[in-house]
Amino acid sequence: GDSVTQMEGPVTLSEEAFLTINCTYTATGYPSLFWYVQYPGEGLQLLLKATKADDKGSNKGFEATYRKETTSFHLEKGSVQVSDSAVYFCALITQGGSEKLVFGKGTKLTVNP
Amino acid sequence: NAGVTQTPKFRILKIGQSMTLQCTQDMNHNYMYWYRQDPGMGLKLIYYSVGAGITDKGEVPNGYNVSRSTTEDFPLRLELAAPSQTSVYFCASSYPGTSGREQFFGPGTRLTVL
Repeated sequence: GDSVTQMEGPVTLSEEAFLTINCTYTATGYPSLFWYVQYPGEGLQLLLKATKADDKGSNKGFEATYRKETTSFHLEKGSVQVSDSAVYFCALITQGGSEKLVFGKGTKLTVNP
Repeated sequence: NAGVTQTPKFRILKIGQSMTLQCTQDMNHNYMYWYRQDPGMGLKLIYYSVGAGITDKGEVPNGYNVSRSTTEDFPLRLELAAPSQTSVYFCASSYPGTSGREQFFGPGTRLTVL
């Protein structure tokens, strides 16, 4: 079945460090790919998305590129801030109209001042 | 718009008790979902609905029931609560035609079964 694998956490960085969170997927066809973020005590919110190969999603300084050849959608940010501390989830929706999100297990990021 | 609202925020149940988690959205979304989030396990889909009167099972439906009598509301019913249902529950909604397949999440209900 469809699945998402993302790097194990937790990840701890200093402010202004470079961030990469790896995400790979297994799916039939051409899924849409998402990164959701969950701040402490809150629900999930969409961070960025990409719907086809080579698309780059970006938001709030975060970027991820849909790489079909490596089935990957790695999240990057050039300079993290303390306010980026959160749990990040990679997810996909497959073709076929079900609209069911398949999530990775999440990666907790802590950014220290 | 309030978006997706959930009540209650927190609840403690005893084994065998029942309860309903409420979910309401005011965005006129046709799709609605219930997920549970267990530590270190991501989110698992419990049930979903593609419109009023239509519901279907997700990955982990056992021990739960849902109904969808209106577009706005999608309550989740727990019958005979068990410790394995201790989790954080999230409701979400979407309108794939216009929202670009983005799902909008509520703030969650933290449930403990003792």
